[in-house]
Amino acid sequence: EDKVVQSPLSLVVHEGDTVTLNCSYEVTNFRSLLWYKQEKKAPTFLFMLTSSGIEKKSGRLSSILDKKELFSILNITATQTGDSAVYLCAVEPYNTDKLIFGTGTRLQVFP
Amino acid sequence: SAVISQKPSRDICQRGTSLTIQCQVDSQVTMMFWYRQQPGQSLTLIATANQGSEATYESGFVIDKFPISRPNLTFSTLTVSNMSPEDSSIYLCSVTGVSGGYEQYFGPGTRLTVT
Repeated sequence: EDKVVQSPLSLVVHEGDTVTLNCSYEVTNFRSLLWYKQEKKAPTFLFMLTSSGIEKKSGRLSSILDKKELFSILNITATQTGDSAVYLCAVEPYNTDKLIFGTGTRLQVFP
Repeated sequence: SAVISQKPSRDICQRGTSLTIQCQVDSQVTMMFWYRQQPGQSLTLIATANQGSEATYESGFVIDKFPISRPNLTFSTLTVSNMSPEDSSIYLCSVTGVSGGYEQYFGPGTRLTVT
């Protein structure tokens, strides 16, 4: 059965800290891995990763995929209170367009 | 990305009634999906909304409970029928194929509470 596991489940840090969120997966016919930020209701798209070893970066956020070890990490440097959210990892198999979501990591950033 | 709107944004309904949620996209998209997120849980796919044909439902979800329409490439509806408190969730539509890309974008969601 396809599955996505995220760790840690929750994380509490202070502003300025750097955090690393983990996502491991088992899926048949992997096509891509996506990261989302969910603050209230709607997940906001962050990154889509398809190739191993190529870092995607947007401001203080970056992510990389390891297709051999079947995991991805999301790094956030110099965290701010606005980074507080649930971060969701999802995997998309080929020929389905469906997303299989992990349970998410709840990040709380305190001033 | 596309601009996706959902109506209503929230509702409180009595058990036994039905609610129809609308999802509108500002451009034509390839695929439209409906997800459910129960309190404290992650997202679960309900069905793929197919344009001009019946939706494709995931295991555990049936058409009688969650009828879906997609009359064109920019609009879809999800009905939650004969509601019970267990249907209290956030319901989200999502789309792919915006500008030919594979990324999946989500609408703002509908928070449903069933009393």
